[in-house]
Amino acid sequence: DLVMTQSPLSLPVTLGQPVSISCRSSQSLDNVDGKTYLIWFQQRPGQSPRRLISKVSKRDSGVPDRFSGSGSGTNFTLQISTVEAEDVGTYYCMKGSLPFTFGQGTKLEI
Amino acid sequence: DVKLVESGGGVVRPGGSLTLSCAASGFSFGDYAMHWIRQSPGKTLEWVCLMSEDGDSAHYADSVKGRFTISRDNNKKSLFLEMKSVVHEDTAIYYCVKMRGGDVWGQGTAVTVSS
Repeated sequence: DLVMTQSPLSLPVTLGQPVSISCRSSQSLDNVDGKTYLIWFQQRPGQSPRRLISKVSKRDSGVPDRFSGSGSGTNFTLQISTVEAEDVGTYYCMKGSLPFTFGQGTKLEI
Repeated sequence: DVKLVESGGGVVRPGGSLTLSCAASGFSFGDYAMHWIRQSPGKTLEWVCLMSEDGDSAHYADSVKGRFTISRDNNKKSLFLEMKSVVHEDTAIYYCVKMRGGDVWGQGTAVTVSS
């Protein structure tokens, strides 16, 4: 079975500094249609998750441009250029095709 | 406002059954496939199942296959999850989710499996 592995699982950060979260898939996520279905979600404390990025690097509407995604194949990265207080929460990567599979989550703490 | 509201959660004994509902509003429900995604206490998210726009096809995670059934009523803009033969590991908050286009999540409904 495909496994999504995130690192680190916990990430102490300093406001204004950049951060990077890694997500690795045990199998390539490159699809036969030429697209790579890798999604990033943010879950703030006490809230439902919300999608930040789809297809590796496409930001959702309303997502600040300090968030960016990159990668291909089995290695993906979510970067926040300058962390703000509202970014505290847990970030999940997910294989965005059947069977949908989440990573363990990375908890961002200030 | 685009909204999903789950209901039907509660405490159920191991081996028991429960049906969750999700009411959609503010978008053309029948144009979108819909998911159930769950989150166990203090743990990661887990995709549970997916139903196609027209209700003709469904897909399940191995952990629930044969025990859970997803269904929908497009006329009533509602999504359902029938849970049977529940086990302790099914304890979680269950979210109804629209993924395509802008994603929409409900607030979740809590299911606790306990004797």
